[in-house]
Amino acid sequence: AQSVSQHNHHVILSEAASLELGCNYSYGGTVNLFWYVQYPGQHLQLLLKYFSGDPLVKGIKGFEAEFIKSKFSFNLRKPSVQWSDTAEYFCAADTGRRALTFGSGTRLQVQP
Amino acid sequence: GAGVSQSPSNKVTEKGKDVELRCDPISGHTALYWYRQSLGQGLEFLIYFQGNSAPDKSGLPSDRFSAERTGGSVSTLTIQRTQQEDSAVYLCASSPTGGTGNYGYTFGSGTRLTVV
Repeated sequence: AQSVSQHNHHVILSEAASLELGCNYSYGGTVNLFWYVQYPGQHLQLLLKYFSGDPLVKGIKGFEAEFIKSKFSFNLRKPSVQWSDTAEYFCAADTGRRALTFGSGTRLQVQP
Repeated sequence: GAGVSQSPSNKVTEKGKDVELRCDPISGHTALYWYRQSLGQGLEFLIYFQGNSAPDKSGLPSDRFSAERTGGSVSTLTIQRTQQEDSAVYLCASSPTGGTGNYGYTFGSGTRLTVV
């Protein structure tokens, strides 16, 4: 079955540190990829998405993600995190089903 | 409305009772999704509605779960004879069109269900 894996369950960083959250998907066909973020007490919101073209996509708040087809990966990056980036991050894939498949999420805690 | 509205925001119920969770999607959005978010489990797909098409029920975990969408707008998720393992946050999302998620989803704030 198609799946999305996020191997980092809980990440703790200091402010200004660089961030990379891993996301791998298992699907051999064309895939659209997404990162969603859930700030404490808020609803899930779209961070960025990849459909085609440039494999390096930029989203809101300085986040970016790189699609590497050969590795089935779509890792999320940010050069310098802020305390306000503390949130839970979900990778999701359109794997041909009629609804997105989400990963289990990564809880990011940024310490001031 | 401006966003996806879910009610109630919190629900505590006794084991064995039935519960109904409501979702009011963004006006004009034809696609509506229900997901379940359990601690450490991520988002589990439950059911998907697209326009007047038959819903995709492939994610419903048991026959105790059902959902309907009346008039292509409001949706109700019903859980019969609730069990403790049903405790989770139930999320509703809508999008302008369905199928591929091209437009991304707009999520509601969820209903936190606790079965005691």
